[in-house]
Amino acid sequence: GEDVEQSLFLSVREGDSSVINCTYTDSSSTYLYWYKQEPGAGLQLLTYIFSNMDMKQDQRLTVLLNKKDKHLSLRIADTQTGDSAIYFCAETISDYKLSFGAGTTVTVRA
Amino acid sequence: DAGVIQSPRHEVTEMGQEVTLRCKPISGHNSLFWYRQTMMRGLELLIYFNNNVPIDDSGMPEDRFSAKMPNASFSTLKIQPSEPRDSAVYFCASSAQGRNSPLHFGNGTRLTVT
Repeated sequence: GEDVEQSLFLSVREGDSSVINCTYTDSSSTYLYWYKQEPGAGLQLLTYIFSNMDMKQDQRLTVLLNKKDKHLSLRIADTQTGDSAIYFCAETISDYKLSFGAGTTVTVRA
Repeated sequence: DAGVIQSPRHEVTEMGQEVTLRCKPISGHNSLFWYRQTMMRGLELLIYFNNNVPIDDSGMPEDRFSAKMPNASFSTLKIQPSEPRDSAVYFCASSAQGRNSPLHFGNGTRLTVT
């Protein structure tokens, strides 16, 4: 398909790791992004990865990029209740335009 | 840094009325975007301004929608006349100069048209 694809829901126990997966469309995308949206708020940039990288780590967040399979993942270590939110994967499709996935709703249970 | 500021946070109006949504981008950012978010269609880019000039309005649904950016610190999105199918959350976002600079989103305006 032509859309950025993500699974819609993920339930994880507090303290476990969360892995959110995304398939994007354009192998020439320069940057790939992860945004977080909490209820009633806008999207907050979590992290991004340049397309010539395989991995990026930022505290509890690890981004893995598989360009061959056009697969992007976000791992959240030691998931906390404050991590409950919708997570959006996005790819650049022009100098200014992003294509967003539908978002993965992450629910952290005690 | 106050972030991107949008007003109002919520707007409820009747079909046929004019609606104006407002946005103040982050100071120094020269790119501004209006997005619409719905359950059915996700996030859609409506219009993109660079240095106050509309560059891409291909996402504007129809002539009932218009957007302006009279100066670097203010933009409006107007719907006239509004229809129930316009009900959505409208986000404004801004970014700094530079290719693929990250977007900073406001908290959105939830519009309900009855």
